[in-house]
Amino acid sequence: AQRVTQPEKLLSVFKGAPVELKCNYSYSGSPELFWYVQYSRQRLQLLLRHISRESIKGFTADLNKGETSFHLKKPFAQEEDSAMYYCALDGGATNKLIFGTGTLLAVQP
Amino acid sequence: DVKVTQSSRYLVKRTGEKVFLECVQDMDHENMFWYRQDPGLGLRLIYFSYDVKMKEKGDIPEGYSVSREKKERFSLILESASTNQTSMYLCASNSRGDRASEAFFGQGTRLTVV
Repeated sequence: AQRVTQPEKLLSVFKGAPVELKCNYSYSGSPELFWYVQYSRQRLQLLLRHISRESIKGFTADLNKGETSFHLKKPFAQEEDSAMYYCALDGGATNKLIFGTGTLLAVQP
Repeated sequence: DVKVTQSSRYLVKRTGEKVFLECVQDMDHENMFWYRQDPGLGLRLIYFSYDVKMKEKGDIPEGYSVSREKKERFSLILESASTNQTSMYLCASNSRGDRASEAFFGQGTRLTVV
């Protein structure tokens, strides 16, 4: 079965501290993974996708097939990073998108 | 440059009413999705459509149906609204075939069933 697990409902850090948002997935094939972000009173939007291997707003995520993980990292958190973050899996020929339960990141000043 | 538009931002309906939530996208995307977003439960897929008149059940289809008569429009129908369907509903679309295709979301419809 396709599944995305985000174990933390809330992650609270201080400004300047490192951030790691955890994501694990279950998928039998070769997955495509994404991180989406929802800032307060804004639409859900794409943050980054693993295939791009890029850094967006200082965030990076590496696909680890051995551990079936796609953790989101940033070395120095900023207050404007406070948002809800969702990990998502695109599996199958029809591109159905499956989301995790989300992690609320709160960056304290 | 709004790309996915949901017909209502807020809706209040009575128990037992038939409710229609409409979603329109202007990107010629094959795929459209309906999710509900609840605190602590994340985004749960209700229904998914990969082409006109084609649909696939998601994780929580009970109590819902969908309609996709035109490529750009995807409707979510609550046949007989109940209080446990009070939630934020999100519509999204993306391209089929490109497995790294970005999904675009609507602004959400907050439905309250009283």
